[in-house]
Amino acid sequence: EADIYQTPRYLVIGTGKKITLECSQTMGHDKMYWYQQDPGMELHLIHYSYGVNSTEKGDLSSESTVSRIRTEHFPLTLESARPSHTSQYLCASSDPGALYYEQYFGPGTRLTVT
Amino acid sequence: GENVEQHPSTLSVQEGDSAVIKCTYSDSASNYFPWYKQELGKGPQLIIDIRSNVGEKKDQRIAVTLNKTAKHFSLHITETQPEDSAVYFCAASNWGSGTYKYIFGTGTRLKVLA
Repeated sequence: EADIYQTPRYLVIGTGKKITLECSQTMGHDKMYWYQQDPGMELHLIHYSYGVNSTEKGDLSSESTVSRIRTEHFPLTLESARPSHTSQYLCASSDPGALYYEQYFGPGTRLTVT
Repeated sequence: GENVEQHPSTLSVQEGDSAVIKCTYSDSASNYFPWYKQELGKGPQLIIDIRSNVGEKKDQRIAVTLNKTAKHFSLHITETQPEDSAVYFCAASNWGSGTYKYIFGTGTRLKVLA
């Protein structure tokens, strides 16, 4: 089992609210990622970080923002939630210095904006 | 841009039969090809991977083959069991070239019928 955690697991929130999705890992990985997953299954990379104070936008444009102040923590924030933000959000981490290039995924946060 | 095509999108097989999922990648510099299994309510989990210097890899009932010339790779599951029912994703990456991102396929929903 990977030591990567996401909270909350489920969130239902009204339009216009500010939300932060938490992601933490205890493996000391410097690479971390956020994916948005469609109901139709596809995984879209929306943000990634290669280390502390490093963040980049992914392949899918997103109105969310991220920060990486500590190695183990990579929160995602939506300043004003909209129904179009309703989705599953998955956090992952990897250690490219290791023998294997595996990305370890958290269990996900299912966000519903009403 | 780089992309990974995955087929089929859904696959139903009888318990005990084999299942094959195929992926095609576009970036000839890709050197790492993982396969992930996502069960309901969970994040994806690595089940097998292959690097570009290997043509085939097997782990019990699961095998992956890679044809670099054709830019194809496939997942083979033999003697399928109901617990193999899940969504499977292939991915390609040019790992270690300064990028540590995957390009995921669109996913295959596998149903194993008892």
